[in-house]
Amino acid sequence: DIQLTQSPSSLYASVGDRVTITCRAGQTISTYLNWYQQRPGKPPTLLISAASRLRSGVPSRFSATGSGTEFTLTISGLQREDFATYFCQQSYTSLPFTFGPGTTVYVK
Amino acid sequence: QGQLVQSGSVVQKPGASVKVSCKASGYSFTSYGVSWVRQAPGQGFEWMAWINTENSNRNFAQKLQGRVTLTTDTSTNTVYMEMRSLRSDDTALYFCVRDGVGATTWGVFDLWGQGTLVTVSS
Repeated sequence: DIQLTQSPSSLYASVGDRVTITCRAGQTISTYLNWYQQRPGKPPTLLISAASRLRSGVPSRFSATGSGTEFTLTISGLQREDFATYFCQQSYTSLPFTFGPGTTVYVK
Repeated sequence: QGQLVQSGSVVQKPGASVKVSCKASGYSFTSYGVSWVRQAPGQGFEWMAWINTENSNRNFAQKLQGRVTLTTDTSTNTVYMEMRSLRSDDTALYFCVRDGVGATTWGVFDLWGQGTLVTVSS
């Protein structure tokens, strides 16, 4: 199985801050990497697919880059509703799909 | 657009079976596959299985093969996930998620059900 790690596991930030989260894959996965946001008590929602493709309706303050084994999600100008947990997930050709352990963004 | 509505929480004893339903609405049901993902308490997400809702092709996580069955009812736009021989470590929140229809499109979960809590306890 392809292992995904995320760093940091948690961070504290303020409204307006720029936040960067990193996801690393145990082997190359090209750009088969997706990012999700999960608010407490809710199911995740897809933010970005194929490493950098912003889903329709997702605010443009979210952006992501990467390929191969290293990927980043950036939130430029953190808003109150962005305090949540963020997961990466790989959808490379070989099953099973796997998820990163998550990064929780807390209010400073 | 679209919605996935799952059946309610359930408590089962070890060794029993559970069947969770996932009813889709608001989109063309057979144009998408459905995967099941679970999240155990305090743990990460685990992908379990996938079904093509049009032709019922399926794939399963190796560790669950033989214990999980996926079926689809196109007359009601519903997917069912049945798990047998439940163990305490199957206690988790189970999600159905909209997925692609095959190997070139699957793995992007763009719509999630609300989750069904399955508790396995004697």
